[in-house]
Amino acid sequence: SQTIHQWPATLVQPVGSPLSLECTVEGTSNPNLYWYRQAAGRGLQLLFYSVGIGQISSEVPQNLSASRPQDRQFILSSKKLLLSDSGFYLCAWTVSPDSPLHFGNGTRLTVT
Amino acid sequence: QKEVEQDPGPLSVPEGAIVSLNCTYSNSAFQYFMWYRQYSRKGPELLMYTYSSGNKEDGRFTAQVDKSSKYISLFIRDSQPSDSATYLCAMSERGTYKYIFGTGTRLKVLA
Repeated sequence: SQTIHQWPATLVQPVGSPLSLECTVEGTSNPNLYWYRQAAGRGLQLLFYSVGIGQISSEVPQNLSASRPQDRQFILSSKKLLLSDSGFYLCAWTVSPDSPLHFGNGTRLTVT
Repeated sequence: QKEVEQDPGPLSVPEGAIVSLNCTYSNSAFQYFMWYRQYSRKGPELLMYTYSSGNKEDGRFTAQVDKSSKYISLFIRDSQPSDSATYLCAMSERGTYKYIFGTGTRLKVLA
């Protein structure tokens, strides 16, 4: 069966520091991968999605970036965090655009 | 107007009640509909997935889609305290890679 791993679970970082969140999927090949951010009362905001290695689509222009160095690995990064980057970051995968998303357990990021 | 509207709640019901959760949408191109359950500090968990109008049942859960009214519902029968969570609806267009989510409804089932 397929599983998705996301780490760390919680992270506290100072403003201006770099960020790297990692997500890996097991048990499937060539998944479509997603990064979402969830803020209280505002639902899930799509940040990036990827349909293959090195293919990244950005939905929200900001100081975050994503990379997909391997088929089942998706990384969310920032060079300098802002206070507004605080939130709950979720990685998700799907086998095709007509299939449902499956989520990891998220990373709660607090920028201080 | 948001593409997907969902009442944020909170919705409080006694144990054993039937719960009805709803979403409306404006994009008639949506063809795939999902319901997720999210416990506090956890990722959303897929409950139901459907791609046609009508009803789909899985245990105590029934998903209903009315494309003519652009309205979807999730019914929970014999609700339990363990059902207390936030429920998110989501939908997507055929062949696209984007999923649009409602803001979620907080449900509390009182023992």
